[in-house]
Parts: sequence; structure tokens; C-alpha cells
Amino acid sequence: DTAVSQTPKYLVTQMGNDKSIKCEQNLGHDTMYWYKQDSKKFLKIMFSYNNKELIINETVPNRFSPKSPDKAHLNLHINSLELGDSAVYFCASSQGGPLHFGNGTRLTVT
Amino acid sequence: AQSVTQLDSQVPVFEEAPVELRCNYSSSVSVYLFWYVQYPNQGLQLLLKYLSGSTLVKGINGFEAEFNKSQTSFHLRKPSVHISDTAEYFCAVGGNFGNEKLTFGTGTRLTIIP
Repeated sequence: DTAVSQTPKYLVTQMGNDKSIKCEQNLGHDTMYWYKQDSKKFLKIMFSYNNKELIINETVPNRFSPKSPDKAHLNLHINSLELGDSAVYFCASSQGGPLHFGNGTRLTVT
Repeated sequence: AQSVTQLDSQVPVFEEAPVELRCNYSSSVSVYLFWYVQYPNQGLQLLLKYLSGSTLVKGINGFEAEFNKSQTSFHLRKPSVHISDTAEYFCAVGGNFGNEKLTFGTGTRLTIIP
């Protein structure tokens, strides 16, 4: 009965590869987010979608492309991975209330 | 523009002692404030929130926080901590509707000493 689920939980890949992280929420929320947490635990918003429409796009490299096929899903595709992309990526959702976070995807780029 | 400052990166506390985790914010719009907790290898979980009304907010697990507009603070407190409270705690400030573009502090690692 996981409310916000992300896959995979761990992702280890080499520089230059392309990878995707998937997120699904079963809460019926209209808004979904991607946050990045760096090695110092600093959390920063990357993107936000409301009902499949992009509403927040922070200063994120073009190599990152979110895709929302429907309001329950928000996937993150990353092209040409770099060492600095290593972090924990959190998906979240909300409906005008508090954010509900997934358990994160730990991405390690070698 | 919004920002959050958590003054203490680490706070060690003996079990059953009281604790206060400090948070100061700045915002040019209406303020909505949150505390989230992150247990090891997990996502963030909402502890409590201030949207309006009473400045003393009670949350889950015995935590409470007080919104102080004049001091631009939203400190988190618990009168008696337990080993299970060991976690990372994040203060966050929201914008127009509370959740759009939440800005997080850098976190405070709370360690409970048996």
C-alpha cells in the first residue's frame, strides 16, 4: 500500500550512460515533484508537475527530462550521466497539503 | 525569495532529555512552515506544519513547534526524547500555497545517547 513508490531503489551506472527513475503515487494527488538530495543532505526541488503539466522547472541541466504520462506517474530521465549527478532523488506528491515523499533512489555514477 | 537556516548540523541528546532543534526562515510572501523527519534510508515524513492560526503546533511522535513571527523562527521541541527519535530533521518554508517550491534547510542530525 505504498503511497509514493520509486524504482529502482539503487542505481549504479557509468559516466555517459542514460538512465531513468520511475515514480508512481496512488494518493490521487494532482501535483508531483522531483527533489535532489546531495551528499550533504541538502534537498533541492528540480521539477514539479500539476496534472501532467510542468509548473516548476528549476535550474536543472537539459540532460534531465521529466515525463508525466498521467497524473499518477512522474518519471525522470537523465542523459549523459556525470559524476556530479550522484545523489539521492526523491519523488513526492501533494494535493494542496503536505508533501508525501517516496523512499528515494540512490544514484551512483562511476 | 525564501531561505531556511538550521543553525545546528548535529545535536546529541541523552535519552529522556528535552531537545530543541532551531530553525530560522526568511520569506517575502506569506509563510507556511514545516518540519520533516528522515529516518535512515527512507524518504521524508511530515512531522508538523504551520499554515495559520495558533502559533503552537503539535505534531506526531510528541513533537511540537512554535511559530515566532518577530524572531522569524520555527523551533522544534520535544520534552523527552527516545532512541527511536534518532534521525535527520528538516525545516522547510513554503510559498503561496504552502507546498509549491518548498525550500528546505540543510538538516539537523539528532542523535539520542542511551
